[in-house]
Amino acid sequence: GENVEQHPSTLSVQEGDSAVIKCTYSDSASNYFPWYKQELGKGPQLIIDIRSNVGEKKDQRIAVTLNKTAKHFSLHITETQPEDSAVYFCAASRGGGGNKLTFGTGTQLKVEL
Amino acid sequence: DGGITQSPKYLFRKEGQNVTLSCEQNLNHDAMYWYRQDPGQGLRLIYYSQIVNDFQKGDIAEGYSVSREKKESFPLTVTSAQKNPTAFYLCASSTDNSGNTIYFGEGSWLTVV
Repeated sequence: GENVEQHPSTLSVQEGDSAVIKCTYSDSASNYFPWYKQELGKGPQLIIDIRSNVGEKKDQRIAVTLNKTAKHFSLHITETQPEDSAVYFCAASRGGGGNKLTFGTGTQLKVEL
Repeated sequence: DGGITQSPKYLFRKEGQNVTLSCEQNLNHDAMYWYRQDPGQGLRLIYYSQIVNDFQKGDIAEGYSVSREKKESFPLTVTSAQKNPTAFYLCASSTDNSGNTIYFGEGSWLTVV
């Protein structure tokens, strides 16, 4: 089955700096890669996703890049703000029946003033 | 408001008891899912359902049961056979089973006392 590894497990940045979180996946058939943000005690919220026919996608301060050859994808947050502090999860799936997402273990991002 | 509603938010269970977590969605989504989240870990799939009256086991189905009698409802029963049930449970749904985005509810905390 699919295996998703996520690094780092914790990340601390100064407000205004950029943050990068990286994930690798094992299943070359995976074609859908979402990123979720989870605040304490709440459900994960989708912040951006990318499909395997695209190499990069951007939404304001957030961007995701995908390298299918190397089987890794990354989340980039620019101009970080205190409200960006949360746990971020990457995930991968083949799509298809059940769209069974396999999640990384999460990155605790802390944006310091 | 459209969305996924989980209840209760907090639940305490005595050892040996079964408990049922409710999940209702008014998004007209075909597929629904249950994930379990343990501290410092990613989300693991318990069960999923692609259509009414049908469901499949995920990666950690032992000790759990589900039903899907209505499109909008997908309750999860944590049985006494689940040896370590204390966790955060997340219900999710998606428009279909071909790789579309999964949206999560706000979660239910289950504690065994």
